[in-house]
Amino acid sequence: DIQMTQSPSSLSASVGDRVTITCRASQTISNYLNWYQQKPGKAPKLLMYAASTLQSGVPSRFSGSGSGTDFTLTISNLQPEDFGTYCCQQTYSTPRTFGQGTKLEIK
Amino acid sequence: EVQLVESGGGLVQPGGSLRLSCAASGFTFNTDWMHWVRQAPGKGLVWVSRINSDGSSTNYADSVKGRFTISRDNAKNTLYLQMNSLRAEDTAVYYCARAVAVSARAFDIWGQGTMVTVSS
Repeated sequence: DIQMTQSPSSLSASVGDRVTITCRASQTISNYLNWYQQKPGKAPKLLMYAASTLQSGVPSRFSGSGSGTDFTLTISNLQPEDFGTYCCQQTYSTPRTFGQGTKLEIK
Repeated sequence: EVQLVESGGGLVQPGGSLRLSCAASGFTFNTDWMHWVRQAPGKGLVWVSRINSDGSSTNYADSVKGRFTISRDNAKNTLYLQMNSLRAEDTAVYYCARAVAVSARAFDIWGQGTMVTVSS
């Protein structure tokens, strides 16, 4: 199974900040890397797929990069509604493993 | 409206069974691969199972293999998860999700989740 490791596990940032979350795969996954946002009590929401393609309707302040084993999600100009937990997922192989999540708090 | 709606969760004793359902609407259900994902209280997302568009191919996480069965009824636009020999560690919110091939197989539609509690 491919292991997905995210860092940091949590972070706190202010409105207007730029934040970066990283995700590392235990083996190469090409660009089969997706990012989700989850708020308490809600289902995950797809933000980004294929490492760097923004899902329809997601604000352009979200961006993604990477290929192979190392990936990043960047949120520029952080907004109050961006709080929640961010999770990466590989869809290169089965099982479709997720990272452990990064909890983002707004100061 | 494109949506997935799960049902069938509840409280069950260890060793018991439950069948979850996931009703799809607003998209062409019979062309898409579908997945189940679970999330234990306070924990992260864990992939459980997947099924291809016509139901002929399935995969399972090792933790549920031999106990859970995924299936679908394309005539009813419904996905199922039959869960047998339930254990305390199966306690979680269960989500169904659609995977889209053109989007790197990402899960673009999720249900609201249904809670399964395994306890005596």
